[in-house]
Amino acid sequence: GNSVTQMEGPVTLSEEAFLTINCTYTATGYPSLFWYVQYPGEGLQLLLKATKADDKGSNKGFEATYRKETTSFHLEKGSVQVSDSAVYFCAFNTNAGKSTFGDGTTLTVKP
Amino acid sequence: DAGVTQSPTHLIKTRGQQVTLRCSPKSGHDTVSWYQQALGQGPQFIFQYYEEEERQRGNFPDRFSGHQFPNYSSELNVNALLLGDSALYLCASSSGTGERSPLHFGNGTRLTVT
Repeated sequence: GNSVTQMEGPVTLSEEAFLTINCTYTATGYPSLFWYVQYPGEGLQLLLKATKADDKGSNKGFEATYRKETTSFHLEKGSVQVSDSAVYFCAFNTNAGKSTFGDGTTLTVKP
Repeated sequence: DAGVTQSPTHLIKTRGQQVTLRCSPKSGHDTVSWYQQALGQGPQFIFQYYEEEERQRGNFPDRFSGHQFPNYSSELNVNALLLGDSALYLCASSSGTGERSPLHFGNGTRLTVT
C-alpha cells in the first residue's frame, strides 16, 4: 500500500550546518510530493512541493527534488538556522485530497 | 485572510461518549479533509468532503462520521469513544480536489479520552 518512509530523528545540528532529511515513498501512479513543517506551538504548514518528476521545490532556503527513479524526495538546506528547529513531514497526494504522511523528523538547531 | 480554524482546541471525554469537532476552511477553499495524528506519528487520513459529500475515506471505522455545510465548514463526529481515539485531530482545507493542491491545516483539536 501507499506509504512514506522518512529519516528517523531527532536530528541535532549546529547553526550553519548542512541539512539532509531523507524521504522515500511507495505509491501507485505519479503522485505530487510535499514537505510540511510544524514549528513549536504552531500547525502544519506547507514548506515546498513538486508535482512531477525532476521538479525541484524550494522555499526559505530549503530544496527537494522529485526523483521518480528512486521514489525519493529528500529535503536539503545548505545552512540551517536556530529558527529552522521544527518537525518536518514528507507527504504525497495520489488520489484527490488523500495525503499520505511520514512520521516526521524533529530537527533541533543549536547556536 | 483567515486561515483554517478549528474548535475546540482541547477536549476531554469519557470512554463511550460522543464528540463533535468543528472546522472552518481557509477563505476561498471548498474542500475539507480530516486527519488523526497520534503522538510521534504523522497525520492519518480520515476522510475528505467536497460539495457536501464524503469523497474519500481512510481506514477508519464507521464510528467516525462527518458533514460539510453549504458554507464549506465541516464537522467530525466520533461515536462510542475508545481510549485509542485520544489524538490530535487536524482539519485541512484545499481548493478543489486535485492532487496538486497542497493542504492548509488548522492548529488541531486535542482530544483526550479517559
